[in-house]
Amino acid sequence: GAVVSQHPSWVICKSGTSVKIECRSLDFQATTMFWYRQFPKQSLMLMATSNEGSKATYEQGVEKDKFLINHASLTLSTLTVTSAHPEDSSFYICSAARLAGDGELFFGEGSRLTVL
Amino acid sequence: QKEVEQNSGPLSVPEGAIASLNCTYSDRGSQSFFWYRQYSGKSPELIMFIYSNGDKEDGRFTAQLNKASQYVSLLIRDSQPSDSATYLCAVQYSSASKIIFGSGTRLSIRP
Repeated sequence: GAVVSQHPSWVICKSGTSVKIECRSLDFQATTMFWYRQFPKQSLMLMATSNEGSKATYEQGVEKDKFLINHASLTLSTLTVTSAHPEDSSFYICSAARLAGDGELFFGEGSRLTVL
Repeated sequence: QKEVEQNSGPLSVPEGAIASLNCTYSDRGSQSFFWYRQYSGKSPELIMFIYSNGDKEDGRFTAQLNKASQYVSLLIRDSQPSDSATYLCAVQYSSASKIIFGSGTRLSIRP
């Protein structure tokens, strides 16, 4: 149990286009999902906290108009990278906390974005 | 000051020996502490979590927490080559709050 699925697992796009990444909790409900970004040889940096039915909370330095987060249901959160640029190329990972759980995070497989 | 600090390594340990990974955190009110393992190009996977002061053992892994010193560690006994990975320490303030990761320690087990 406690599976988090992320899609797509990798994507290549042209500069200026937008890319949507989906994060689904397959067998549990998650009121809170977290979006992380990881550059090569660096740790996971929290981008935003996504709460079902409300606006996401962004970390300092993360542009909310560039990284649009929607958490429309208890099992789905989406991250849209708008007007992507090469510097947005990174490994994006979502994680979900189980409703009424013990705080453990379950991670998706990650989505590798390459912007040409 | 970083919220969660780890030595980046690499830490090289001979096969069969004990690997010791350390982590310090800045927020004294933190309540939950996690160790994740991450292989290159993959998502992190949870190894252990610990909430209370003292030791917690699970197979070859032992997590140690000292809240007074704001210190958490992970011991890996009988290290195997498959243990070679980056180990991420993570800290959570409360059960519903965000988890902050350290920069990770790269562990290499040499045969």
